[in-house]
Amino acid sequence: GAGVSQSPRYKVAKRGQDVALRCDPISGHVSLFWYQQALGQGPEFLTYFQNEAQLDKSGLPSDRFFAERPEGSVSTLKIQRTQQEDSAVYLCASSLGTEQFFGPGTRLTVL
Amino acid sequence: RKEVEQDPGPFNVPEGATVAFNCTYSNSASQSFFWYRQDCRKEPKLLMSVYSSGNEDGRFTAQLNRASQYISLLIRDSKLSDSATYLCAVKGGSSNTGKLIFGQGTTLQVKP
Repeated sequence: GAGVSQSPRYKVAKRGQDVALRCDPISGHVSLFWYQQALGQGPEFLTYFQNEAQLDKSGLPSDRFFAERPEGSVSTLKIQRTQQEDSAVYLCASSLGTEQFFGPGTRLTVL
Repeated sequence: RKEVEQDPGPFNVPEGATVAFNCTYSNSASQSFFWYRQDCRKEPKLLMSVYSSGNEDGRFTAQLNRASQYISLLIRDSKLSDSATYLCAVKGGSSNTGKLIFGQGTTLQVKP
């Protein structure tokens, strides 16, 4: 069966550019999480959806970060006016119960 | 102080060795504990959940010490293929969203 997929896998952006990262969770998974992983660090929580409801966005680092999941399936993480410190791997995970299944991530490099 | 802390290593061990990693957490209300494995440039994959009574899966043993607020992972008879980064993760506490709080990860390099 298909796992979590993310696109694009790699994204290079110029500073100040807006980017949109997509996550396709496992079909039927109610919970969806976004994490940010900097080089040499563990993933850090950004935001959580239960179906289409964004129940926790406490990890979003600034108001330049915005996430949505309008139909309770696919989710998009948008970063406006990207900065160099936004360079990281953005991981999406989905869950039906205890275990979270991670996608391959999008590696964002901001020049 | 980070909520979940690990020694980043690297741990360099010969094949066949036994190696142990510890991870400490600061939130005493944490409810669930996990070890994830992450290969270079890949996503984290669940290795095992950690239960209060301790649990074993083949060469891997995980233990939880609630009183001292740490979890451990023991790998026996290590293989070259065990080389990876091992992330501990904690869930629960005051937040009930199910988000995971990860440690920095411990790098293991098994050498022939």
